Amino acid sequence: RKEVEQDPGPFNVPEGATVAFNCTYSNSASQSFFWYRQDCRKEPKLLMSVYSSGNEDGRFTAQLNRASQYISLLIRDSKLSDSATYLCVTPTGGGNKLTFGTGTQLKVEL
Amino acid sequence: GAVVSQHPSWVICKSGTSVKIECRSLDFQATTMFWYRQFPKQSLMLMATSNEGSKATYEQGVEKDKFLINHASLTLSTLTVTSAHPEDSSFYICSASRDRGNYSPLHFGNGTRLTVT
Repeated sequence: RKEVEQDPGPFNVPEGATVAFNCTYSNSASQSFFWYRQDCRKEPKLLMSVYSSGNEDGRFTAQLNRASQYISLLIRDSKLSDSATYLCVTPTGGGNKLTFGTGTQLKVEL
Repeated sequence: GAVVSQHPSWVICKSGTSVKIECRSLDFQATTMFWYRQFPKQSLMLMATSNEGSKATYEQGVEKDKFLINHASLTLSTLTVTSAHPEDSSFYICSASRDRGNYSPLHFGNGTRLTVT
């Protein structure tokens, strides 16, 4: 079973919409989670770290549900520049090693 | 600002030649760095863990003699793709954690796009 699983999308939403992605994880002992965004042909950039129940940064909110083993990312008032692939990841095998899935592709349209 | 610097950003080389990619941590020491590779429309795949002062740890299926990793200082790791072939054309990205904790996020270099002709 994969460490994390995400719906690959793409999700097409109009500008200004609120959109949420879910990410399920298999290891109930996972302590930390990260959301990265990756633009086409670019490196991943850290968007948010989640260590407890959730985190909020401006238009972005991450919620962690340990009972159901999923973490969500909510984007409010989406903008064209939010179009990217969003990667959910948690360290595996101890240390900082991160195993990535294919992520969820978001396309924000006019 | 950038936390991890990677050079070159892109390189085109002929089949059979070797290419060296540098990854530097800026303003912090990284005892461990990670090298990833990403093919078009695929996820990042971890190739190896670079350990300062010791041998790198390679993931299953990654040839250590083809992808040479050197981590000679606390701020520099290099990946050399030896005898490159067209199938090695890919996006190579290094990463490091600024914090020493086991649950700290990784910061990525800007990546190196390798094209082997």
